[in-house]
Amino acid sequence: DAGVTQSPTHLIKTRGQQVTLRCSPKSGHDTVSWYQQALGQGPQFIFQYYEEEERQRGNFPDRFSGHQFPNYSSELNVNALLLGDSALYLCASSRILDRTYGYTFGSGTRLTVV
Amino acid sequence: AQSVSQHNHHVILSEAASLELGCNYSYGGTVNLFWYVQYPGQHLQLLLKYFSGDPLVKGIKGFEAEFIKSKFSFNLRKPSVQWSDTAEYFCAVNPYSGGGADGLTFGKGTHLIIQP
Repeated sequence: DAGVTQSPTHLIKTRGQQVTLRCSPKSGHDTVSWYQQALGQGPQFIFQYYEEEERQRGNFPDRFSGHQFPNYSSELNVNALLLGDSALYLCASSRILDRTYGYTFGSGTRLTVV
Repeated sequence: AQSVSQHNHHVILSEAASLELGCNYSYGGTVNLFWYVQYPGQHLQLLLKYFSGDPLVKGIKGFEAEFIKSKFSFNLRKPSVQWSDTAEYFCAVNPYSGGGADGLTFGKGTHLIIQP
Protein backbone atom coordinates (compact mmCIF):
# COMPACT_ATOMS: atom_id res chain seq x y z
CA ASP A 1 0.00 0.00 0.00
CA ALA A 2 1.57 3.27 -1.17
CA GLY A 3 -0.41 5.43 1.27
CA VAL A 4 -1.15 7.83 -1.60
CA THR A 5 -4.36 7.08 -3.46
CA GLN A 6 -4.96 8.17 -7.04
CA SER A 7 -8.09 7.87 -9.13
CA PRO A 8 -8.95 6.74 -11.66
CA THR A 9 -6.25 4.18 -12.47
CA HIS A 10 -6.86 4.33 -16.21
CA LEU A 11 -8.58 6.88 -18.43
CA ILE A 12 -9.16 7.30 -22.15
CA LYS A 13 -10.01 10.74 -23.50
CA THR A 14 -10.42 12.30 -26.92
CA ARG A 15 -8.15 15.06 -28.20
CA GLY A 16 -9.55 18.48 -27.21
CA GLN A 17 -11.39 17.21 -24.14
CA GLN A 18 -10.69 18.12 -20.53
CA VAL A 19 -9.69 15.69 -17.76
CA THR A 20 -9.54 15.77 -13.96
CA LEU A 21 -7.31 13.44 -11.96
CA ARG A 22 -7.52 13.03 -8.19
CA CYS A 23 -5.06 12.36 -5.40
CA SER A 24 -5.44 11.68 -1.68
CA PRO A 25 -2.14 12.16 0.18
CA LYS A 26 -0.65 9.89 2.80
CA SER A 27 -2.03 10.50 6.29
CA GLY A 28 -0.08 13.29 8.00
CA HIS A 29 1.18 14.82 4.74
CA ASP A 30 0.17 18.37 3.77
CA THR A 31 1.93 18.89 0.43
CA VAL A 32 0.99 17.34 -2.92
CA SER A 33 3.12 17.31 -6.07
CA TRP A 34 2.13 16.13 -9.54
CA TYR A 35 4.42 14.53 -12.13
CA GLN A 36 3.98 13.43 -15.74
CA GLN A 37 5.81 10.26 -16.83
CA ALA A 38 5.80 9.64 -20.56
CA LEU A 39 6.58 6.14 -21.81
CA GLY A 40 10.28 5.37 -21.43
CA GLN A 41 11.01 8.63 -19.61
CA GLY A 42 11.53 9.76 -16.05
CA PRO A 43 8.79 11.67 -14.21
CA GLN A 44 8.64 15.40 -14.94
CA PHE A 45 7.54 17.83 -12.22
CA ILE A 46 4.31 19.65 -13.07
CA PHE A 47 3.53 21.60 -9.88
CA GLN A 48 3.21 21.40 -6.12
CA TYR A 49 0.41 22.52 -3.80
CA TYR A 50 0.60 23.53 -0.17
CA GLU A 51 -2.04 25.34 1.90
CA GLU A 52 -4.37 25.23 -1.10
CA GLU A 53 -1.99 27.29 -3.24
CA GLU A 54 0.42 26.47 -6.04
CA ARG A 55 3.82 26.65 -4.40
CA GLN A 56 6.11 25.61 -7.26
CA ARG A 57 5.63 24.95 -10.96
CA GLY A 58 7.64 23.08 -13.56
CA ASN A 59 7.82 23.81 -17.28
CA PHE A 60 4.23 22.98 -18.22
CA PRO A 61 1.71 25.15 -20.08
CA ASP A 62 -1.30 26.81 -18.46
CA ARG A 63 -3.50 23.99 -19.82
CA PHE A 64 -2.30 22.16 -16.72
CA SER A 65 -3.90 23.47 -13.55
CA GLY A 66 -4.59 22.15 -10.11
CA HIS A 67 -6.33 22.55 -6.86
CA GLN A 68 -5.80 21.51 -3.27
CA PHE A 69 -8.67 21.11 -0.84
CA PRO A 70 -8.75 21.81 2.93
CA ASN A 71 -8.32 18.07 3.61
CA TYR A 72 -5.03 18.21 1.59
CA SER A 73 -6.37 16.14 -1.31
CA SER A 74 -5.65 17.49 -4.76
CA GLU A 75 -6.85 17.54 -8.35
CA LEU A 76 -4.94 17.91 -11.57
CA ASN A 77 -6.87 19.38 -14.50
CA VAL A 78 -5.72 19.30 -18.10
CA ASN A 79 -7.64 21.28 -20.72
CA ALA A 80 -7.62 20.96 -24.51
CA LEU A 81 -5.96 17.55 -24.42
CA LEU A 82 -3.26 16.76 -26.97
CA LEU A 83 -2.05 13.35 -28.08
CA GLY A 84 1.25 14.20 -26.38
CA ASP A 85 -0.50 14.42 -23.02
CA SER A 86 -0.79 10.62 -23.00
CA ALA A 87 1.28 9.53 -20.00
CA LEU A 88 1.28 8.16 -16.49
CA TYR A 89 0.41 10.95 -14.05
CA LEU A 90 1.93 10.51 -10.61
CA CYS A 91 1.00 12.18 -7.37
CA ALA A 92 3.50 12.47 -4.52
CA SER A 93 2.80 13.71 -1.01
CA SER A 94 5.12 15.01 1.69
CA ARG A 95 5.22 17.22 4.78
CA ILE A 96 6.39 20.78 4.19
CA LEU A 97 8.46 20.81 7.38
CA ASP A 98 9.98 17.37 6.86
CA ARG A 99 13.76 17.85 6.68
CA THR A 100 14.24 14.24 5.55
CA TYR A 101 12.42 14.74 2.24
CA GLY A 102 10.05 11.85 2.75
CA TYR A 103 8.09 11.83 -0.51
CA THR A 104 5.51 9.07 -1.01
CA PHE A 105 4.34 8.34 -4.54
CA GLY A 106 1.02 6.93 -5.68
CA SER A 107 0.64 4.26 -8.35
CA GLY A 108 -0.51 6.79 -10.90
CA THR A 109 -3.27 7.39 -13.42
CA ARG A 110 -2.62 6.15 -16.95
CA LEU A 111 -4.12 8.71 -19.35
CA THR A 112 -4.49 7.82 -23.02
CA VAL A 113 -5.53 10.57 -25.44
CA VAL A 114 -6.92 9.33 -28.77
CA ALA B 1 17.62 24.83 -13.90
CA GLN B 2 18.97 21.52 -12.75
CA SER B 3 19.20 18.40 -14.91
CA VAL B 4 20.01 14.74 -14.30
CA SER B 5 21.79 12.37 -16.66
CA GLN B 6 21.70 8.59 -16.32
CA HIS B 7 24.32 7.01 -18.53
CA ASN B 8 22.83 3.58 -19.16
CA HIS B 9 19.27 3.22 -20.40
CA HIS B 10 19.31 -0.58 -20.44
CA VAL B 11 21.50 -2.89 -18.37
CA ILE B 12 21.42 -6.69 -18.43
CA LEU B 13 23.27 -8.64 -15.75
CA SER B 14 23.40 -12.18 -14.44
CA GLU B 15 22.47 -12.99 -10.87
CA ALA B 16 25.31 -12.40 -8.36
CA ALA B 17 26.99 -9.87 -10.65
CA SER B 18 27.95 -6.48 -9.24
CA LEU B 19 25.96 -3.41 -10.25
CA GLU B 20 26.87 0.21 -10.74
CA LEU B 21 24.43 2.68 -12.31
CA GLY B 22 25.75 6.10 -13.18
CA CYS B 23 24.06 9.39 -12.35
CA ASN B 24 25.37 12.90 -12.94
CA TYR B 25 23.56 16.12 -12.19
CA SER B 26 23.89 19.69 -13.30
CA TYR B 27 23.27 22.36 -10.68
CA GLY B 28 25.47 25.05 -9.22
CA GLY B 29 24.30 24.94 -5.65
CA THR B 30 23.76 22.45 -2.85
CA VAL B 31 21.46 19.59 -3.73
CA ASN B 32 19.57 16.69 -2.27
CA LEU B 33 19.98 13.42 -4.18
CA PHE B 34 17.73 10.39 -4.48
CA TRP B 35 17.50 6.98 -6.09
CA TYR B 36 14.05 5.55 -6.71
CA VAL B 37 13.06 2.12 -7.99
CA GLN B 38 9.92 1.21 -9.91
CA TYR B 39 9.13 -2.50 -10.03
CA PRO B 40 6.81 -3.63 -12.83
CA GLY B 41 3.27 -2.47 -12.10
CA GLN B 42 4.21 -0.82 -8.81
CA HIS B 43 4.66 2.74 -7.53
CA LEU B 44 7.97 4.54 -7.21
CA GLN B 45 9.81 3.52 -4.05
CA LEU B 46 12.71 5.31 -2.40
CA LEU B 47 15.94 3.28 -2.36
CA LEU B 48 18.12 5.86 -0.65
CA LYS B 49 18.71 9.59 -0.34
CA TYR B 50 21.47 12.02 0.48
CA PHE B 51 21.05 15.53 1.85
CA SER B 52 23.97 15.97 4.25
CA GLY B 53 26.71 14.16 6.17
CA ASP B 54 28.51 10.99 5.09
CA PRO B 55 28.64 10.93 1.27
CA LEU B 56 28.37 7.13 1.28
CA VAL B 57 24.70 6.36 1.75
CA LYS B 58 23.23 2.94 2.44
CA GLY B 59 19.67 2.19 1.43
CA ILE B 60 17.23 -0.66 1.38
CA LYS B 61 17.78 -4.09 -0.19
CA GLY B 62 21.57 -3.86 -0.06
CA PHE B 63 21.91 -0.80 -2.29
CA GLU B 64 24.33 2.03 -1.61
CA ALA B 65 25.36 5.22 -3.38
CA GLU B 66 28.29 7.60 -3.15
CA PHE B 67 27.98 11.35 -3.56
CA ILE B 68 31.10 12.80 -5.18
CA LYS B 69 30.61 16.56 -5.15
CA SER B 70 33.63 17.32 -7.37
CA LYS B 71 32.23 15.05 -10.08
CA PHE B 72 28.56 16.02 -9.61
CA SER B 73 27.87 12.29 -9.39
CA PHE B 74 25.69 10.00 -7.28
CA ASN B 75 26.25 6.46 -8.57
CA LEU B 76 24.18 3.55 -7.31
CA ARG B 77 25.90 0.27 -6.41
CA LYS B 78 25.05 -3.22 -5.25
CA PRO B 79 27.72 -5.92 -4.80
CA SER B 80 25.54 -8.88 -5.81
CA VAL B 81 22.25 -8.50 -7.67
CA GLN B 82 19.25 -10.81 -7.51
CA TRP B 83 16.57 -11.66 -10.06
CA SER B 84 14.13 -9.62 -7.95
CA ASP B 85 16.18 -6.46 -8.63
CA THR B 86 14.75 -6.36 -12.17
CA ALA B 87 13.13 -2.93 -12.33
CA GLU B 88 13.43 0.66 -13.56
CA TYR B 89 15.84 2.83 -11.55
CA PHE B 90 15.62 6.63 -11.42
CA CYS B 91 18.09 9.15 -10.08
CA ALA B 92 16.57 12.44 -8.90
CA VAL B 93 17.75 15.76 -7.49
CA ASN B 94 16.30 18.90 -5.95
CA PRO B 95 17.97 22.06 -4.74
CA TYR B 96 18.69 22.13 -1.03
CA SER B 97 16.41 24.68 0.56
CA GLY B 98 16.53 23.64 4.20
CA GLY B 99 13.20 21.94 3.92
CA GLY B 100 10.01 22.46 2.03
CA ALA B 101 9.94 19.30 -0.06
CA ASP B 102 10.69 20.99 -3.37
CA GLY B 103 9.87 19.34 -6.68
CA LEU B 104 12.24 16.65 -7.95
CA THR B 105 14.09 16.56 -11.25
CA PHE B 106 14.42 12.98 -12.48
CA GLY B 107 16.75 11.30 -14.94
CA LYS B 108 15.33 9.25 -17.79
CA GLY B 109 15.83 6.01 -15.90
CA THR B 110 17.79 2.79 -16.31
CA HIS B 111 15.96 -0.41 -17.13
CA LEU B 112 17.75 -3.20 -15.28
CA ILE B 113 17.16 -6.84 -16.23
CA ILE B 114 18.66 -9.60 -14.10
CA GLN B 115 18.91 -12.96 -15.80
CA PRO B 116 18.66 -16.07 -13.57
